[in-house]
Amino acid sequence: KQEVTQIPAALSVPEGENLVLNCSFTDSAIYNLQWFRQDPGKGLTSLLLIQSSQREQTSGRLNASLDKSSGRSTLYIAASQPGDSATYLCAVNPQGGADGLTFGKGTHLIIQP
Amino acid sequence: NAGVTQTPKFQVLKTGQSMTLQCAQDMNHNSMYWYRQDPGMGLRLIYYSASEGTTDKGEVPNGYNVSRLNKREFSLRLESAAPSQTSVYFCASSENVGPDYTFGSGTRLTVV
Repeated sequence: KQEVTQIPAALSVPEGENLVLNCSFTDSAIYNLQWFRQDPGKGLTSLLLIQSSQREQTSGRLNASLDKSSGRSTLYIAASQPGDSATYLCAVNPQGGADGLTFGKGTHLIIQP
Repeated sequence: NAGVTQTPKFQVLKTGQSMTLQCAQDMNHNSMYWYRQDPGMGLRLIYYSASEGTTDKGEVPNGYNVSRLNKREFSLRLESAAPSQTSVYFCASSENVGPDYTFGSGTRLTVV
């Protein structure tokens, strides 16, 4: 059974810092991996999708990397802002079909002004 | 705005009561999903529907039933609610599993 772990569970940093969120998964046979953002009381917003054949994806100040062989992904946030405060979730798609995603428990991020 | 709409947003049930959570999407997606989110547990898949007319169990299906009413709508039913079903329920849809994976804003359910 695929398991997804996110470290750290919580993180608080001053505004302007660069930071890295970590995600690991136990079965390297994944189709793709996604990073989501969740604001309090809200649904999830997809940030970045990395296909299994890709090594990284970038969107603005966000960069996600994937090392499938080692079962790891990182989300790099550059020049953090208070508006980046949210919970960040990593999810893997095991088979590429419509069977749903396997999620980590998330990293709760607070950016201090 | 286009997206996934869930109703109701909040609900309190007594143990043993039944209810149906509604979900509708207007993006013409084939696949729809129901997840529950519990503190310390992350999101877990309850049921999914890969296409209209099909439904399949996810990781935690016990105590739930689903209906894919048409391409737009996917409902989740609790026949006899239990306190263990207190959770936040999210509906999602996608065409393929990619950037268009869209979540609703959730239903916060409390069973007392």
